[in-house]
Parts: sequence; C-alpha cells; structure tokens
Amino acid sequence: EVQLLESGGGLVQPGGSLRLSCAASGFMFSSYAMTWVRQAPGKGLEWVSAISASGGTAYYVDSVKGRFTISRDNSKNMMHLQMNSLRVEDTALYYCAKDKAPTGTANWFDPWGQGTLVTVSS
Amino acid sequence: DIQMTQSPSSVSASVGDRVTITCRASQGISSWLAWYQQKPGEAPRLLIYDATRLQSGVPSRFSGSASGTDFTLTISSLQPEDFATYYCQQANSFPYTFGQGTKLEIK
Repeated sequence: EVQLLESGGGLVQPGGSLRLSCAASGFMFSSYAMTWVRQAPGKGLEWVSAISASGGTAYYVDSVKGRFTISRDNSKNMMHLQMNSLRVEDTALYYCAKDKAPTGTANWFDPWGQGTLVTVSS
Repeated sequence: DIQMTQSPSSVSASVGDRVTITCRASQGISSWLAWYQQKPGEAPRLLIYDATRLQSGVPSRFSGSASGTDFTLTISSLQPEDFATYYCQQANSFPYTFGQGTKLEIK
C-alpha cells in the first residue's frame, strides 16, 4: 500500500524557516516524480512545487521561487521542502503527492498524504 | 500562467440527480486535465486524468469530457458519498494550476 507521511509543519514567525518532509513507502520511490500542493484554511488547492524522479529537475510557483527549495533523497525514500523567508500568506496545509505513473515528470497526483500544517504568524 | 475557471462555484442537488461541473482553461491545454474530489478533513482524491480517463477504483458514474478549452465532469446519478468539493487541474505547463473548486451540496 502506498503511504505518504508529511511532517515538519508548525508555527513560525514571518521571515522564519521550516523544513517539511514527506516519507514515502509502498512503491518504487525513485521512479516517480513528486509534488507539493498547499491549501490555505478554507480555501482551494494551490500547486507549489514538483521534482522529477531523479531529482534533477524542479519546478515552482512564482510566489515561492527563491524562497522554497524542493529536494529528494531516493536512498531514503524522502522528499523535502525547505521554506525560507516565510510570509503570512504561506499559511496552509501542505500536502505531498506522488505522481500517478512512473513517467519521470509530475502530471497527476495520486495518492496524497494527509498534510502538515504550516502557520506563519507573529 | 494558465488560469482554470470552474463553474458553478457551488451547486445543490439531490441523490440520483445528474450533475455537471465545467472547467475552462485560459489557453489550450490539449487533454492535460484532471479532476479531484475532496471531502471535509480529507486529502484530495484523483478521479479523472487525461481529461477523460477514469482513475482505477473510481465508480463509473463519474465521467469526463473535453471540447477545446472547456472540460466537464459529470456525475450521472449522485450518491450520498459524492457530496464534496471538486477541483480541476491542468498539467499542460508549469506552474500547474487548479480551478477554484465547486462545492456540491445536498438539496
């Protein structure tokens, strides 16, 4: 069974940093692109970042470029999101998701983890 | 960036009804569209991908169609477990974008 478990969320002041992690199991992690999607409280879904299966290519939404860095460790079946210079508007539940097929690039997200909550507030 | 506009933003319907939700892309995205279902307190679930392909395990009452930049999710006969929020998502080009969501409520 595929399992994705996010961790690392919490309360941080504006300008602070957090590192989110996604622990994967139940599939050949190194064959699948992975994605982070966030959802602000009571709002819709926002795609944040994706990383290719090899880890060689990363993509970001403009609002986090230069502040967030996605990475993965295929030897440990882990994905990370380093979040720096956090803003109030980054407050959200952050989901990690596996790509549906082992194509190398992220397209369709299935399944998703349960999310980790990031709250940016003074 | 490609904008995805869903309509309606909310809809009320009864068990057994046929419901259609539309998503319009701001530019051509071929068939690079998916639909997700999200229930309160749960993570989203993939329903449809490649605009018309049903994800494994999803009931056949769900279907997707496409015409140009307009995409439709149809639920042929609503079941109690279908009341949720639905999102479309384009994967034609980065940054990927979601529609704003359609909340399907019980009438």
